[in-house]
Amino acid sequence: DAKTTQPPSMDCAEGRAANLPCNHSTISGNEYVYWYRQIHSQGPQYIIHGLKNNETNEMASLIITEDRKSSTLILPHATLRDTAVYYCIVRPLYSSNTGKLIFGQGTTLQVKP
Amino acid sequence: NAGVTQTPKFRILKIGQSMTLQCTQDMNHNYMYWYRQDPGMGLKLIYYSVGAGITDKGEVPNGYNVSRSTTEDFPLRLELAAPSQTSVYFCASSYGENSNQPQHFGDGTRLSIL
Repeated sequence: DAKTTQPPSMDCAEGRAANLPCNHSTISGNEYVYWYRQIHSQGPQYIIHGLKNNETNEMASLIITEDRKSSTLILPHATLRDTAVYYCIVRPLYSSNTGKLIFGQGTTLQVKP
Repeated sequence: NAGVTQTPKFRILKIGQSMTLQCTQDMNHNYMYWYRQDPGMGLKLIYYSVGAGITDKGEVPNGYNVSRSTTEDFPLRLELAAPSQTSVYFCASSYGENSNQPQHFGDGTRLSIL
């Protein structure tokens, strides 16, 4: 599975957009980009995923560059409850590990008042 | 709107004791997973199941057993608890193995072995 690189930490002011970058330069054509987050003491929460096109749902937007080597998760109006560790994960379409998710160190997002 | 439910939320065991961590999902998902997360670390896959009656080992299966008699339930059993099994355990489920199907997680069971 392709490796991802994320900054270890970021700050964001409450009400502003949070833009979380992820590099996945070795991604292959059949690999999806997934974002999860983990709020302290809770289970990982699925946010969004995409293959090539930009995606948007009620939680966030995912912007994938044209060469697919990097992506950005956008939380449009961050709140204090968005403070969490955000994980960018690349998954092949079909994995010999049958869907195992590989969580790296992620980005700790601190939303400040 | 329950999703994936894990019980208990917390438990303290003595070395050598056994227990079963319960996991149930109401989304009619075929695939279910057990992960453990040690402090400051990522999740590691213990066991997974692709459907009722079918289970397989993940990365760190030693010391654990699972069963999958129904689509909804996927219990994880510790037979002889050891301090190295102190961790937070997460159960997850997904519709299938296709990467277009996200996994959904429970809130975890925090287990301490003393």
